[in-house]
Amino acid sequence: GENVEQHPSTLSVQEGDSAVIKCTYSDSASNYFPWYKQELGKGPQLIIDIRSNVGEKKDQRIAVTLNKTAKHFSLHITETQPEDSAVYFCAALMNRDDKIIFGKGTRLHILP
Amino acid sequence: EPEVTQTPSHQVTQMGQEVILRCVPISNHLYFYWYRQILGQKVEFLVSFYNNEISEKSEIFDDQFSVERPDGSNFTLKIRSTKLEDSAMYFCASSGDTSYEQYFGPGTRLTVT
Repeated sequence: GENVEQHPSTLSVQEGDSAVIKCTYSDSASNYFPWYKQELGKGPQLIIDIRSNVGEKKDQRIAVTLNKTAKHFSLHITETQPEDSAVYFCAALMNRDDKIIFGKGTRLHILP
Repeated sequence: EPEVTQTPSHQVTQMGQEVILRCVPISNHLYFYWYRQILGQKVEFLVSFYNNEISEKSEIFDDQFSVERPDGSNFTLKIRSTKLEDSAMYFCASSGDTSYEQYFGPGTRLTVT
């Protein structure tokens, strides 16, 4: 079955700097890659996603890139702010009604 | 903005007791899911449900677990005889029939003592 690896497990960046979180997946049949942000005591919140027919997608300060050949995808957050502090999960799915396979998460700390 | 809701937010139960966790998915969604997150770990899939039947279930979802959509709005997860290791956050999610996006509820923290 699909396996998603995520790095790093913890990331601290200075406020205003950029943060990058990287994931790899194992099953080349996966074709949808969402990113979720989870704040303390809350459920995962979908922040951005990318389909396999696209190499990059951007939404304001966040962007996601996908390299299907290498089976990598990454989340980029620019101009980080204190409210970006959270746990971020990458994930992969094969089909529209499929289960989500999550990475282990990255705890992002934004330092003042 | 429509959202997935879950009740209760926290449930404490004794080992061996039955619990029912409740979810109200987004109203026009057709696919429903339960996931579990043990403290500090990643979110794990339990079961998916479509057209009044289970589509897929994980190895975690054994005979002690069941799901039901008793009416047009609720989606429930029942654990028949809880074990200590069932202590976790349980998240309900739903998705529509034209998109991949799954939207998660705020979760129910289940504590088994």
